[in-house]
Amino acid sequence: GNSVTQMEGPVTLSEEAFLTINCTYTATGYPSLFWYVQYPGEGLQLLLKATKADDKGSNKGFEATYRKETTSFHLEKGSVQVSDSAVYFCALSDRNAGNMLTFGGGTRLMVKP
Amino acid sequence: DAGVTQSPTHLIKTRGQHVTLRCSPISGHKSVSWYQQVLGQGPQFIFQYYEKEERGRGNFPDRFSARQFPNYSSELNVNALLLGDSALYLCASSLGQIDSPLHFGNGTRLTVT
Repeated sequence: GNSVTQMEGPVTLSEEAFLTINCTYTATGYPSLFWYVQYPGEGLQLLLKATKADDKGSNKGFEATYRKETTSFHLEKGSVQVSDSAVYFCALSDRNAGNMLTFGGGTRLMVKP
Repeated sequence: DAGVTQSPTHLIKTRGQHVTLRCSPISGHKSVSWYQQVLGQGPQFIFQYYEKEERGRGNFPDRFSARQFPNYSSELNVNALLLGDSALYLCASSLGQIDSPLHFGNGTRLTVT
């Protein structure tokens, strides 16, 4: 079956530090890959996505590249802000299963001023 | 435009009771999905509906059921509640095509005592 593994948190960084959150996946087909962000008390917001190998998704300074050879989709940001503090979820969707998303366990990011 | 709306926002029930959660999708979206998010974990897929028909079902017991109405709103029903059903229940809507992004509501927080 499909699965997503992401690094456990919390990840604590100082403002303007470089961020990497690792995500690897297992899938039977050719999935699309996503990063979602969840702020306290809210639902999930789509941060970025990539639909095929070597695609790079980007949004709000965050980037992730679909690496089929390493089955990875690591999230990066060059300079984090306090407002980036949230829980980040890596997810995949399997084209053979409609839009059903398989999520990782989430990584909490805490950015200190 | 209004986003995905869910009601109620919070709910407290006793073991053995049943509960109905409601979701209104974004205007124009014909697909609704339900996810369960236990505290500290990633969301788990429960159901997907498209044009009032069930398109997918996750690994949940028959106590969980759902339906979609002609106006594309949806209800999730859970019977014979267990303590382990305590979670944040998220509804997401989309256009329904492959790779259509999911838009999540803020969820209903269910506590079973």
